[in-house]
Parts: sequence; C-alpha cells; structure tokens
Amino acid sequence: DIVLTQSPGTLSLSPGERVTLSCRASQSVSSSYLAWYQQKPGQAPRLLIYGASSRATGIPDRFSGSGSGTDFTLTISRLEPEDFAVYYCQRYGTSPRGYTFGQGTKLEFK
Amino acid sequence: EVQLVESGGTLVQPGGSLRLSCAASGFTVSSNYMSWVRQAPGKGLEWVSVFYSGGSTYYADSVKGRFTISRDNSTNTLYLQMNSLRPEDTAVYYCAGGSGRASFDYWGQGTLVTVSS
Repeated sequence: DIVLTQSPGTLSLSPGERVTLSCRASQSVSSSYLAWYQQKPGQAPRLLIYGASSRATGIPDRFSGSGSGTDFTLTISRLEPEDFAVYYCQRYGTSPRGYTFGQGTKLEFK
Repeated sequence: EVQLVESGGTLVQPGGSLRLSCAASGFTVSSNYMSWVRQAPGKGLEWVSVFYSGGSTYYADSVKGRFTISRDNSTNTLYLQMNSLRPEDTAVYYCAGGSGRASFDYWGQGTLVTVSS
C-alpha cells in the first residue's frame, strides 16, 4: 500500500510568514486523487485542496497546492492566526480501493 | 446548507457491538460517496469504509469482516455496524462525503466510541 509521509511533523511560525508543507508518497499518486485538509482542536477536518491544486469552496486564496508524482506541497502564502492547526494530506487509491492519510503536520505559534 | 450529524457512540466492552448513524440534511446520501473516518485520541486520521453512490462498498483492512457500512435512502442516513470491537477501535468516528470519490467535501462533528472493560 502507498504510504504518505508529511514533513515536518511540527512547525513553529509567526503570523504573516509563508509556509510550505510537504507530502511525499511511497509510489506515484495521480494528482487527481490528492487532497489536503485542515483540522483545528476539537473540530472535524475541513477540505482545503482537492485534485492536488484546486481550492475547495470558500477556501481563501492564500492556500495553494501543487505537485505531482510522489511529491506534493501545500503553501500558505501569509499565515493568519486562524491558520494554526494540523494539516493532513490524503490520497484516494483504486487498487485496492480506499483512502490513505498522511500523519499530519502541526503549525504552532512561535 | 449541508449537515451531517453522527450519533451512537458510547462506551462498549471488548467483543461488543455498536451501530453508528449519520443523518444528512441538505445532502443526498444515495447520490454521493459516503465514508466513515476515525481518529484515535491524539492521533491522525484513518479511513474506515466507503459507500459509493453506485452501491459498492469498501473497507480498510483493519476493520474488514468486523464492520459493515450501509445506508437508508428513505431516511437519508448512513450507518456503520461495528462488531467484535477491540480497544484499538477507540476513536472519534466521523461521517464524511462528497460528490467526488477522491476527497471528502463535508464532515460531521464526530461521535466518540470507547472500547474498554
């Protein structure tokens, strides 16, 4: 099975900074099948990016996704206080059918 | 507005059974791809099962043979029947779904299942 590895595990940053989160797959993943989520404490995850680079409805344009093959990134161009959360990448597979999440990257206040 | 509301989570003994429900509004369960995703305390997300709009169902290896996903189109509700529960099944269980099969557009607030003696 394909494994998604996110790095780093934790990032300490300040509002206004630019951040790039990495998601590396153990085998090539179709860009159509790669998504990113944000989760705040005590809340359900929220879809940010689907198809590797398409923003979900209502997601601010400071969030962007890119990548292909085995390397994907989520970039937040300018951190807002509400962006401090855990971010997960997720992949959909067709053989076998199912979904895999990365272990998450936590953004915390410096 | 889309709402997914889970219920049924509780404390259950190892080896026991439980059925979770996910009631949908503003959203038709039978026309979308619906999944259960769980999160153990302090851990990451783990996909459990999916019900395709076309009727196919799939499971994670960790629950195959023990859990069954189903839906009731008349009540617009998704279910997860969990049998032979183990302590490692302890988690918040989220109902999630969307029009596409590759990602989860909408999520419920989750329901906590605790498996312990």
